[in-house]
Amino acid sequence: EAQVTQNPRYLITVTGKKLTVTCSQNMNHEYMSWYRQDPGLGLRQIYYSMNVEVTDKGDVPEGYKVSRKEKRNFPLILESPSPNQTSLYFCASSLQGEKLFFGSGTQLSVL
Amino acid sequence: QKEVEQNSGPLSVPEGAIASLNCTYSDRGSQSFFWYRQYSGKSPELIMSIYSNGDKEDGRFTAQLNKASQYVSLLIRDSQPSDSATYLCAVTRTGFQKLVFGTGTRLLVSP
Repeated sequence: EAQVTQNPRYLITVTGKKLTVTCSQNMNHEYMSWYRQDPGLGLRQIYYSMNVEVTDKGDVPEGYKVSRKEKRNFPLILESPSPNQTSLYFCASSLQGEKLFFGSGTQLSVL
Repeated sequence: QKEVEQNSGPLSVPEGAIASLNCTYSDRGSQSFFWYRQYSGKSPELIMSIYSNGDKEDGRFTAQLNKASQYVSLLIRDSQPSDSATYLCAVTRTGFQKLVFGTGTRLLVSP
């Protein structure tokens, strides 16, 4: 089954404790992206990757890191999480960055 | 001015009626336009794409695009309670293959 898999589904952590949210797709898509979704602000892009070893900032990259060492994986790293990073996070992939397939989301709470 | 604007709603329609969802965008060079549906607690899923002026129909859904007015709409005919969801308008930025999302319109279809 074609899918984008994110883990974990829910995560509660404390300020400053490094965490990684994993994302994997099995559709051989070149483009992958991370979004955060907040009430009243909608989906905002954090980082995106056009291909392996090619990443670029989206609209809200501060406090986040990504890497794209393999085509299928695109982890999101929060090195020192803060409460303003409490949000619903979505990973997405596509062939060329337009018709996106989304993962099931990760609800992150930073205390 | 937001890049992609939608009325947050909720838009309430009775079962069987036509629901009309609207979206305006600011980047005159945008070329690709999408409607995503998001059920509460779920990830967005693509339901319509449109690239040229005019109407595009797919089942009960019709997307309408007017580039001169920078306006995109989604019509849902014979609305069903299962159509109750948030509908996200998404637009590509000029020169980039990445999407910008509106904040979404919540649709409620009452039996």
